[in-house]
This record gives sequence, structure tokens and C-alpha cells, in this order.
Amino acid sequence: AQSVSQHNHHVILSEAASLELGCNYSYGGTVNLFWYVQYPGQHLQLLLKYFSGDPLVKGIKGFEAEFIKSKFSFNLRKPSVQWSDTAEYFCAVNPGGSYIPTFGRGTSLIVHP
Amino acid sequence: NAGVTQTPKFQVLKTGQSMTLQCAQDMNHNSMYWYRQDPGMGLRLIYYSASEGTTDKGEVPNGYNVSRLNKREFSLRLESAAPSQTSVYFCASRRLAGDNPGELFFGEGSRLTVL
Repeated sequence: AQSVSQHNHHVILSEAASLELGCNYSYGGTVNLFWYVQYPGQHLQLLLKYFSGDPLVKGIKGFEAEFIKSKFSFNLRKPSVQWSDTAEYFCAVNPGGSYIPTFGRGTSLIVHP
Repeated sequence: NAGVTQTPKFQVLKTGQSMTLQCAQDMNHNSMYWYRQDPGMGLRLIYYSASEGTTDKGEVPNGYNVSRLNKREFSLRLESAAPSQTSVYFCASRRLAGDNPGELFFGEGSRLTVL
């Protein structure tokens, strides 16, 4: 069965620090990749997605992610975090042709002002 | 444009009681999903419905049943609630965009406590 690993479970940063959250998956075929964000007390919403084409994907609020097929990775980055980025971040992988995305366990990000 | 609407938002049950979580989407999406979210466990799929008239088990279906009432509505039923079902439940929907599955749109969640 496919799996999605988010190695950083808890990340604490100060404002203006750079962020990189790791996501690795174990499926060898075509995949669709997503990062979702869940702000405190809210539902999940899409941050960015990759289907095909340019492996560097830009999302909302200055986030970007890079798909590296050879490493089965889809890491999330932001050059300078803000206090308002405090949230939980979920990576999700959907094998091509499947209805079912698999989610990682999430990374809790706390940004201190 | 409401998106995905879940009711109730909060519920407290006693062990053995039954209840139904309701979910409706107004985006004409084909697929609908029920997830539960527990601390440190991420999101785990309970049931999904790829299209109207079909339902399938996900990763953690035991103790739950679902009904895809029509294209808009997908309900989750706990027949005999157990404390292990204390969780936050999210309904989600998704359209199909050609060959790509598209992203999920989530409801605001239903927080269930079973005593």
C-alpha cells in the first residue's frame, strides 16, 4: 500500500525564518500531489497542487513546492514565514486514476512573532 | 456559495447511542469522502463515494455506515457509538477535471465526543 511520510512533526520558527517541510511518498507510478493547510480551528484548504509540467509549483501566500520524481518527494517551502502561517500542514498524494488520496500525518508549524 | 456544509458542528453522545452526520455540497462534485482526524494520526479515510450510487470502504470503516443520498448529500452514521470514535470528522468533495482528480474541498468539521 502506498504511504506518505512527513518527517517533521513539529516545527517552531521565528518570523522571517525560512521554512522547508518534507514530504515523501512510496508510489512508483504517476501521481498528483497536494499540500493542504489547516489554520487553528478551521478546516483544511488547498495550499498548492502538482499535476504535471513544471515541477516547481507556486501556491497561495508565498508558498511553493518542488516535485522531485527521482526522490519521490514534494517538499514545501517558504522563504520568510509570518506569524499567520502558524497552522498544520498536510501533504497528500493521489495515484493517477485513483479516487483516493493518501494523507501524511501532518506537520504542526508554530511561528513566533 | 456554501461549498461543503456539515451538521452538526458539535455533538456529545453516550456509549451505545446512534447518530448521523450530514454533509452536503453545492459544487456539483462527483466524489465525496468522510475522514476522521485524530491528534498525531493525520486524516484517515472512513468511507468514500466515487460517484452517485456508489460507496466504498476506506482505511477505518468499522463502526460506521454511509449513504450517498443523491449527488449533493453524503451522510455518515454511527450505529452504536464507542469512545474510540471520539474525533473530528470532515466531509470533503471533489470534482474530476479531465484525467486529474482535482483537489478536495472540505467542510468545517464535526467534533464528536463519545462518553
